[in-house]
Amino acid sequence: QSALTQPASVSGSPGQSITISCTGTSSDVGAYNFVSWYQQHPGQAPKLMIYGVTNRPSGVSNRFSGSKSGNTASLTISGLQADDEADYYCSSYTTGTTRIFGGGTKVTVL
Amino acid sequence: QVLLQESGPGLVKPSQTLSLTCTVSGGSISGGLYYWSWIRQHPGEGLEWIGYIYNSVSTYYKPSLRSRVTISLDTSKNQFSLKLSSVTAADTAVYYCARENDNMYFDYWGLGTLVTVSS
Repeated sequence: QSALTQPASVSGSPGQSITISCTGTSSDVGAYNFVSWYQQHPGQAPKLMIYGVTNRPSGVSNRFSGSKSGNTASLTISGLQADDEADYYCSSYTTGTTRIFGGGTKVTVL
Repeated sequence: QVLLQESGPGLVKPSQTLSLTCTVSGGSISGGLYYWSWIRQHPGEGLEWIGYIYNSVSTYYKPSLRSRVTISLDTSKNQFSLKLSSVTAADTAVYYCARENDNMYFDYWGLGTLVTVSS
């Protein structure tokens, strides 16, 4: 059971939009709408940013949005800000009742 | 506000058993509504799901760790625990406890605790 595939790094200038992809298979991302995204600043615990592919928890900025097409989910951050610089992980429910994370994407604000 | 806090030894010798406890406050761990989970992060690497306990008795583990992992619940103390046997240096990681709800996302996390496997 390999990790979901994410780009190692994505960068953008303040105010720009960036998109992070998360590619799985028909046994995880493609099979269920149970994809979530987490933000992790250095030395901190992960923080939920998106759940159920597209839903934002209360308190998360509407600059964060999620989507899915086939076996690939995506997280878009619009109006990039300095505090968005962090690692981002996707996660999915899988057939077989396990959970799987992506390898993580480091977002750099230029 | 639900809070989770991991506790346990920060250093474990190779071949021994790693034991961690997660204390939950601000909500009850009984009732079967949530998957009480353990997740780890090797130094400088990504997140790895270890497993969960659900409805007090149902457990499920990552297949590659299944032979070494036990997750249990102590409702009297509002805690759940992780035991990982026969550890090696490859088990050195920050271990997080987390709550997953029935929509399959982790909504609350502990701060994490670093466990180093070394003689």
